[in-house]
Amino acid sequence: GQSLEQPSEVTAVEGAIVQINCTYQTSGFYGLSWYQQHDGGAPTFLSYNGLDGLEETGRFSSFLSRSDSYGYLLLQELQMKDSASYFCAVRDGSFQKLVFGTGTRLLVSP
Amino acid sequence: ETGVTQTPRHLVMGMTNKKSLKCEQHLGHNAMYWYKQSAKKPLELMFVYSLEERVENNSVPSRFSPECPNSSHLFLHLHTLQPEDSALYLCASSQSGGGTDTQYFGPGTRLTVL
Repeated sequence: GQSLEQPSEVTAVEGAIVQINCTYQTSGFYGLSWYQQHDGGAPTFLSYNGLDGLEETGRFSSFLSRSDSYGYLLLQELQMKDSASYFCAVRDGSFQKLVFGTGTRLLVSP
Repeated sequence: ETGVTQTPRHLVMGMTNKKSLKCEQHLGHNAMYWYKQSAKKPLELMFVYSLEERVENNSVPSRFSPECPNSSHLFLHLHTLQPEDSALYLCASSQSGGGTDTQYFGPGTRLTVL
């Protein structure tokens, strides 16, 4: 089966940098994705890593190390609007089944 | 309408009621999904439809019955639910073979079972 572990909560201040880690155990691996979900909102796609290394999209970056079964989401120049839950997810080999982590709640304070 | 829409946004039902949740995607995708999101738990995949055929049923109780009449619409029929079925039900769609296979989510239906 698949399992993903993330910290339950992270706090930071505006302008800071925060890293949200994700470790996974999978029978097969087809990439690590990150989604953001604001309270009362829908999850929205942030980033995807299919290969080792860093992917950068504006203030957000995501990193993957397949040998360590580990990835992280890096958020820079934090803004209040970044307060949300962040989920890592791995794609099961069977079709496009995504298995999600428990989510990390990020609280950004002034 | 754009993206993925879901109706109703909120639903309260008794354990003996029958209701249906509706999802519509306007993205031209060929796959649709139902997820359940409960407090303090990860998103749980319930059903996957690809080209209108069910390809995944993640051990979901039979009181949940999905229907996919075409590639743009997905329903979740509910009957004789239990209070523990109260949760946010999310619909998503994606395009198979799109590389990242990004899933696009609707806003969800907040279901309360009394």
